[in-house]
Amino acid sequence: SQQGEEDPQALSIQEGENATMNCSYKTSINNLQWYRQNSGRGLVHLILIRSNEREKHSGRLRVTLDTSKKSSSLLITASRAADTASYFCATDELGGTSYGKLTFGQGTILTVHP
Amino acid sequence: EPEVTQTPSHQVTQMGQEVILRCVPISNHLYFYWYRQILGQKVEFLVSFYNNEISEKSEIFDDQFSVERPDGSNFTLKIRSTKLEDSAMYFCASRTLSGNTFGSGTRLTVV
Repeated sequence: SQQGEEDPQALSIQEGENATMNCSYKTSINNLQWYRQNSGRGLVHLILIRSNEREKHSGRLRVTLDTSKKSSSLLITASRAADTASYFCATDELGGTSYGKLTFGQGTILTVHP
Repeated sequence: EPEVTQTPSHQVTQMGQEVILRCVPISNHLYFYWYRQILGQKVEFLVSFYNNEISEKSEIFDDQFSVERPDGSNFTLKIRSTKLEDSAMYFCASRTLSGNTFGSGTRLTVV
């Protein structure tokens, strides 16, 4: 698989349910970031988790990082219809040639039904 | 909250024409990037820029592409002779310790 692969590719849930998206990567990283993109729009930075962190929270978002498994998960609790968007993980590789260069995954399309 | 500003939001150009995509990064940031996203595909790194020079470029960033920071505030991406396959969303980003801040993008359509 490629760096920053998300699963599932698409997720459809009802409002109020939790949504979990997973990301796997291949190289060692400085940090991993999650972004949201509404259809055809810009990328909104959600959360950054550093390689020495295991869990981070921001509002209804919870991100975990397991560097031994090279994986991360994004949990959105109590989802709302407005959470409908594509969610991408992006890795900042350790020892990369360019500071802050990100490698994105294919993304998970989340649909929250009212 | 500081923003990265991109103009125009949408540009349509004839194949073979030159286009310049403009970005105003956050003022005290030092690292700048261009990415692109072809419709329905993932976001791809094009180039990073630091200290007034390119620090890394991808295979996509061939001789038809160039970047410039002409006046200490704007950061531009020039595509010299556009091809149909250059149609994509182009994102500018600048770097903070808390992550990369992306602009809202320029949708380039080559016809």
